[in-house]
Amino acid sequence: DGGITQSPKYLFRKEGQNVTLSCEQNLNHDAMYWYRQDPGQGLRLIYYSQIVNDFQKGDIAEGYSVSREKKESFPLTVTSAQKNPTAFYLCASSRQGANEQYFGPGTRLTVT
Amino acid sequence: GEDVEQSLFLSVREGDSSVINCTYTDSSSTYLYWYKQEPGAGLQLLTYIFSNMDMKQDQRLTVLLNKKDKHLSLRIADTQTGDSAIYFCAESIRATGANNLFFGTGTRLTVIP
Repeated sequence: DGGITQSPKYLFRKEGQNVTLSCEQNLNHDAMYWYRQDPGQGLRLIYYSQIVNDFQKGDIAEGYSVSREKKESFPLTVTSAQKNPTAFYLCASSRQGANEQYFGPGTRLTVT
Repeated sequence: GEDVEQSLFLSVREGDSSVINCTYTDSSSTYLYWYKQEPGAGLQLLTYIFSNMDMKQDQRLTVLLNKKDKHLSLRIADTQTGDSAIYFCAESIRATGANNLFFGTGTRLTVIP
């Protein structure tokens, strides 16, 4: 089965702890993206990567970090510097040069 | 900057048509998309339209694009309870080689049996 997986589906952390969200795809897509979704708001882009070992900041990168060591994987770390980390996080991927993005099922992060 | 707007809520009766509207500001958009999000899930690509097209039909879905008014709509014919979800429009603007998408706030469609 081809697709994008995110794990875990629900994640709970204490304030002050860093946490890493997993995103894996076996679609052979070059580009990968991380979005944050808050109630009543659209998706906001955190980071994106068009190719292995390269990534760019999106609109709300502060307090987040990413790596892209493998084509299939694009993990997102939510650091303690992120002021309001509780949200639904969505990972997506697309073929290079293509416009449509395909999304994973999301991870709901709750920080208390 | 890019600004994509949608109304937040829409309720329709089962069997009626639903029309979800979206306005955008950037005239250099290349593709416009409709995504569906069911509760607690990721986004599912429903359909998309190239910016030089006026209309696209795919089974129960009809997308209309008025490029002059920067207005996009999604019509769902014979709406079913399974269509209840949040619908996002998004535009793609080719910039610095990245095909980033800019999303609206989403419209929550409720289908009343």
